[in-house]
Amino acid sequence: AQSVTQPDIHITVSEGASLELRCNYSYGATPYLFWYVQSPGQGLQLLLKYFSGDTLVQGIKGFEAEFKRSQSSFNLRKPSVHWSDAAEYFCAVGDYMNYGGSQGNLIFGKGTKLSVKP
Amino acid sequence: GAGVSQSPSNKVTEKGKDVELRCDPISGHTALYWYRQSLGQGLEFLIYFQGNSAPDKSGLPSDRFSAERTGGSVSTLTIQRTQQEDSAVYLCASSFFSEAFFGQGTRLTVV
Repeated sequence: AQSVTQPDIHITVSEGASLELRCNYSYGATPYLFWYVQSPGQGLQLLLKYFSGDTLVQGIKGFEAEFKRSQSSFNLRKPSVHWSDAAEYFCAVGDYMNYGGSQGNLIFGKGTKLSVKP
Repeated sequence: GAGVSQSPSNKVTEKGKDVELRCDPISGHTALYWYRQSLGQGLEFLIYFQGNSAPDKSGLPSDRFSAERTGGSVSTLTIQRTQQEDSAVYLCASSFFSEAFFGQGTRLTVV
């Protein structure tokens, strides 16, 4: 079965510093991969997704992520963090193999909470 | 509607009572998901509906939990004989071959 690991429960970075949030997945084929963000009191919003093609994907709010098959990773990056980026970030894998090519079931990691120091 | 709608937004119930949580997905979305979010536990998968296929119920934590989706649209998650450990935010999402869109959730408190 597919699974997602986000090794860092909580990360604190200074405003303006670069950010990398780690995500490792377990899946039997090339997965569909997603990053979502949940701001305090808000619902989940999609930051970016990877289905195929270019392994470096750009998302909203200046985020990007790189799919590395050899490392089973899909790490999220941002060159310069803003105070408004403080939120919880979730990585997810879509199980399309068993669902006729559609997105399939979505399994999430436990999330990484990002705090931003002024 | 424009987004995924969940009702009620908050629910307080007594231990042992049954509750029903409702999800109205985005029109035309064939996939519908239910998740439970407890503090520090991330999003715990509960159940997944895809079109007319049999739902994936592998995430339901006990037989007190059940869900149905009528007419490929609205879904209801039912929790029978609620326990205090059922207290959490229950999130619904829908999708159509792409990103999943989430509702704002139902915060369930069992007292």
